[in-house]
Amino acid sequence: QQQVKQSPQSLIVQKGGISIINCAYENTAFDYFPWYQQFPGKGPALLIAIRPDVSEKKEGRFTISFNKSAKQFSLHIMDSQPGDSATYFCYPGGSNYKLTFGKGTLLTVNP
Amino acid sequence: DTGVSQDPRHKITKRGQNVTFRCDPISEHNRLYWYRQTLGQGPEFLTYFQNEAQLEKSRLLSDRFSAERPKGSFSTLEIQRTEQGDSAMYLCASSPGGQGGETQYFGPGTRLLVL
Repeated sequence: QQQVKQSPQSLIVQKGGISIINCAYENTAFDYFPWYQQFPGKGPALLIAIRPDVSEKKEGRFTISFNKSAKQFSLHIMDSQPGDSATYFCYPGGSNYKLTFGKGTLLTVNP
Repeated sequence: DTGVSQDPRHKITKRGQNVTFRCDPISEHNRLYWYRQTLGQGPEFLTYFQNEAQLEKSRLLSDRFSAERPKGSFSTLEIQRTEQGDSAMYLCASSPGGQGGETQYFGPGTRLLVL
């Protein structure tokens, strides 16, 4: 049973463009919606997270949009930079520690 | 830097040998997780500790795998009779747990190659 679906699997954008990655989940018990960023050879690191009481959260160039009724949340990277090139994982869960990583999106930002 | 540390960072072994990895979590975190990640895939959950208690094990964790967290601090993951299919990155993560403490902090991983 696949609880998390992430799209696209890969994404290429030009420097300065907008990167958008989507995550769809099934478990309505999830109450914590983070995005993790992973560079090659490194462990994943929390990038930004949102709770279901808000529909959007912005931190610098990174924004999470959350649609509770559609059971989806998205990561938007504004003014994408080559240094943003990494794999991004959605990882919905909560205090019940449900552990469900998406398959990841490989983002390449061309200079 | 008091983040999650893992040792060794790289391990090459021959098929059939036993290997053991260590993870030191962030000191005040009571939850500790082990994951396995293969190239191009997301991390797959292996097992989870709350303090010294192992609360959940994935079906991915065959009888050849065992994990311990004897004093609720560091943890070890042992793989017995390694197989080539065990080659992967083994990631450890810790979290404070509880409401508001869900964020998992990952270590740099141990890359295992079984020849």
